Amino acid sequence: QQQVKQSPQSLIVQKGGISIINCAYENTAFDYFPWYQQFPGKGPALLIAIRPDVSEKKEGRFTISFNKSAKQFSLHIMDSQPGDSATYFCAASKGGATNKLIFGTGTLLAVQP
Amino acid sequence: DTGVSQDPRHKITKRGQNVTFRCDPISEHNRLYWYRQTLGQGPEFLTYFQNEAQLEKSRLLSDRFSAERPKGSFSTLEIQRTEQGDSAMYLCASSSSTGFRSGANVLTFGAGSRLTVL
Repeated sequence: QQQVKQSPQSLIVQKGGISIINCAYENTAFDYFPWYQQFPGKGPALLIAIRPDVSEKKEGRFTISFNKSAKQFSLHIMDSQPGDSATYFCAASKGGATNKLIFGTGTLLAVQP
Repeated sequence: DTGVSQDPRHKITKRGQNVTFRCDPISEHNRLYWYRQTLGQGPEFLTYFQNEAQLEKSRLLSDRFSAERPKGSFSTLEIQRTEQGDSAMYLCASSSSTGFRSGANVLTFGAGSRLTVL
């Protein structure tokens, strides 16, 4: 069962453009929604995260938009740079002892110079 | 602290052999997770430790898999009688349980141990 659905699978954006990656979740008990960035040969690294009590969070060029009623959240990368080329994963977790993350399938972003 | 360390980074083995991976978490982190990542997919949760106690295991973790975290420090993941379907990247992550604003939900991942079963 895919609890977190991510799209698109791949994305090509021109330098300076906006990259948008979308995720949808099913479990209304999820209360933490991070985005991870992974470069080849490396483990995923936390990029930005949001709780469902806010609809948007911005950190530099990265913004999460959250729609609780639609059970959707998205990552926006403004002024995309070639160095942003990586695989991006959305994830979700619910409160409790484990805090295990359920990941989406990933989006391979290529920013062309 | 240099982050989460995993060893070996790459392992090639023949089907039926046993393999063991080691993870050294960030020293002040009491939580440790193992995930498996196959090509083109997101990481899938395998198991979780708080200190030395293994508190949750995924159904993905068959009886050929065993994980330990003696003394609540480093952890090992052993796969017995490996199968070709076990080929994947095995990721270890750690976190602290001391409140969200302190980074409790922030999992710091290692670079992974890539397993190839021939």
